Amino acid sequence: EPEVTQTPSHQVTQMGQEVILRCVPISNHLYFYWYRQILGQKVEFLVSFYNNEISEKSEIFDDQFSVERPDGSNFTLKIRSTKLEDSAMYFCASRPGVQNSPLHFGNGTRLTVT
Amino acid sequence: DAKTTQPTSMDCAEGRAANLPCNHSTISGNEYVYWYRQIHSQGPQYIIHGLKNNETNEMASLIITEDRKSSTLILPHATLRDTAVYYCIVPNNQAGTALIFGKGTTLSVSS
Repeated sequence: EPEVTQTPSHQVTQMGQEVILRCVPISNHLYFYWYRQILGQKVEFLVSFYNNEISEKSEIFDDQFSVERPDGSNFTLKIRSTKLEDSAMYFCASRPGVQNSPLHFGNGTRLTVT
Repeated sequence: DAKTTQPTSMDCAEGRAANLPCNHSTISGNEYVYWYRQIHSQGPQYIIHGLKNNETNEMASLIITEDRKSSTLILPHATLRDTAVYYCIVPNNQAGTALIFGKGTTLSVSS
């Protein structure tokens, strides 16, 4: 069964550094999402992406964050200048173009900012 | 998004059916009910979704009341590996809309 893959599984970075988290959504999906989960807290929506542009974003997704689909397969989340509070699990998800189809999530990247 | 209410936690004996309730009294129109679960810190896993008819797949059954104000997720024979946080989500009906996760129900399956 096709799945969403995320790399790396764990990334450690120093405060102030830029980090790029990578995702390969399921191949025929059209909607792409990033979520994060701070340790012990609930899964929080960051941003959704459709037709090469952001379709929806939360208040968490500020100017420090950006997303890109640089080619036909990858979907990336960039954090420009990481802060300690960016430490979290980051999940990518995708869904087909059929309305009401479910999202499928990857297993996440654990980001640790030191 | 319609607000959902779930119990904070539930216990179930291994091999028994686990029935997880969800209230969504403000559900409207063509809004679907989705169920996901999260095992430890893995990515949320899709279980099942439905509109108004009962649904069944290889993982679970979803029973939606006739007025659609509540639903129950049924794991027919719970195993230890079903221990997880279960989320009931009712997003608005806009195409591609994101799912917003609440706190869910922590299901503990014990032997």
